[in-house]
Amino acid sequence: AQKITQTQPGMFVQEKEAVTLDCTYDTSDQSYGLFWYKQPSSGEMIFLIYQGSYDEQNATEGRYSLNFQKARKSANLVISASQLGDSAMYFCAMREPYTGRRALTFGSGTRLQVQP
Amino acid sequence: DVKVTQSSRYLVKRTGEKVFLECVQDMDHENMFWYRQDPGLGLRLIYFSYDVKMKEKGDIPEGYSVSREKKERFSLILESASTNQTSMYLCASSFIEEAYEQYFGPGTRLTVT
Repeated sequence: AQKITQTQPGMFVQEKEAVTLDCTYDTSDQSYGLFWYKQPSSGEMIFLIYQGSYDEQNATEGRYSLNFQKARKSANLVISASQLGDSAMYFCAMREPYTGRRALTFGSGTRLQVQP
Repeated sequence: DVKVTQSSRYLVKRTGEKVFLECVQDMDHENMFWYRQDPGLGLRLIYFSYDVKMKEKGDIPEGYSVSREKKERFSLILESASTNQTSMYLCASSFIEEAYEQYFGPGTRLTVT
């Protein structure tokens, strides 16, 4: 069974600083995908970034980058130059392989608060 | 623009009532999912479907059933609502390929009294 662990229930960061949100995962599959989603207080889940298990480069999307360390089974999200609008819940998730359930397994989330 | 819509943002029901939560997507996605979100637990998979009339149990299917009669619509049914089903319910859809992200609806906050 797959498992995602997010050990930081809450984080604070000053505006314009960078912040790293931790995510470790456990799986016996060789092929998998890792996702990060943002959930503002309004409730919608917003896709941020994706990393495939065979991707050699770390994924980047604007101010978001994924620090993928396969041997350590970690997929940390790095947000550069934090903005007040980044305050939200952040979820790390793993996609099961095509032959599996095709669903996402989520971590418990990290609440990020950006301070002015 | 991808759109996943859910029939209600907020719903209040009484214990024992039958509850229907509807989800519609407009992107011709094969996969559709129902998740439940509770504080400290993240999102947990209730049921999913990868084709019309196909459904498979997720991690917490007890007390729920689903229906997918058309590709764009996936319904979650609480046969007899109970107070421990008070939660946020999120519907999602995606293409069948592994690397595609799931698109989520706005969620339904269900309160069972």
